[in-house]
Amino acid sequence: AQTVTQSQPEMSVQEAETVTLSCTYDTSENNYYLFWYKQPPSRQMILVIRQEAYKQQNATENRFSVNFQKAAKSFSLKISDSQLGDTAMYFCAFMKHGINYQLIWGAGTKLIIKP
Amino acid sequence: EPEVTQTPSHQVTQMGQEVILRCVPISNHLYFYWYRQILGQKVEFLVSFYNNEISEKSEIFDDQFSVERPDGSNFTLKIRSTKLEDSAMYFCAGGASGSDTQYFGPGTRLTVL
Repeated sequence: AQTVTQSQPEMSVQEAETVTLSCTYDTSENNYYLFWYKQPPSRQMILVIRQEAYKQQNATENRFSVNFQKAAKSFSLKISDSQLGDTAMYFCAFMKHGINYQLIWGAGTKLIIKP
Repeated sequence: EPEVTQTPSHQVTQMGQEVILRCVPISNHLYFYWYRQILGQKVEFLVSFYNNEISEKSEIFDDQFSVERPDGSNFTLKIRSTKLEDSAMYFCAGGASGSDTQYFGPGTRLTVL
C-alpha cells in the first residue's frame, strides 16, 4: 500500500521569503502522479502543481516549483517570493496509474506567511 | 473557467437521519470521486465512479453510503443513517480521464448531532 508523509506540521516565514515543504512517499509502483494541493481557511482544495513520475523535469507553476527525486521517493514544494495569500494548509498527494485513481494524502503542512 | 459546485455548503443533521450531498461536476469530466476530511485529520478517499458505476470504494464506504448520478449532471452521495463520526468535510472531485488531475468542489461541511 502507498503512504505519503509530510514531516512538517507547521511552518512560518516572512513575506517575500522562499519556503520549501517536504513530502516523502512509499510505493512499489513505477508509474504514478504526485500533486500539491493548497487548502486556505475557506477549506476549498486547490491544485498547486502536478508531477508525472515518468518525467525527469521538475514541474513549475509561476512561483511554485517542485524537487522530484524519484529514487529517494521525495517530492518537495518550493514557494518563491511568498505572499500573504499563500497562507494555507498544503497537502501532498499520490495517485497510482492504473484502473483506479484515488488520491492518497499526506497529513498536511500548515504554512503561515507573516507580513 | 468551469468549476465543480457542491450543495449545501453546510448541513446539520440529527444522528440516524439520512443526508444527500450534491455535486455538479465540470461538464466534460467522466471520472468522479468523493473524499472526506474529518477536522484535523487526513483527507480520505471514499469512492470513485465512472460510466455510471462504482470503480473503487474504501473501507469507509460501507452499506450506509451510496452514490449515484441520477440525471447525467448531478453526482450525489447519500448517507442512509448518519453517525456522529460521519461529521466531516465532504469533497466531490472530478477529472476528464482517470489519470487527469482531480478538480475539487468547495466541500460540504456535515455536522451530525
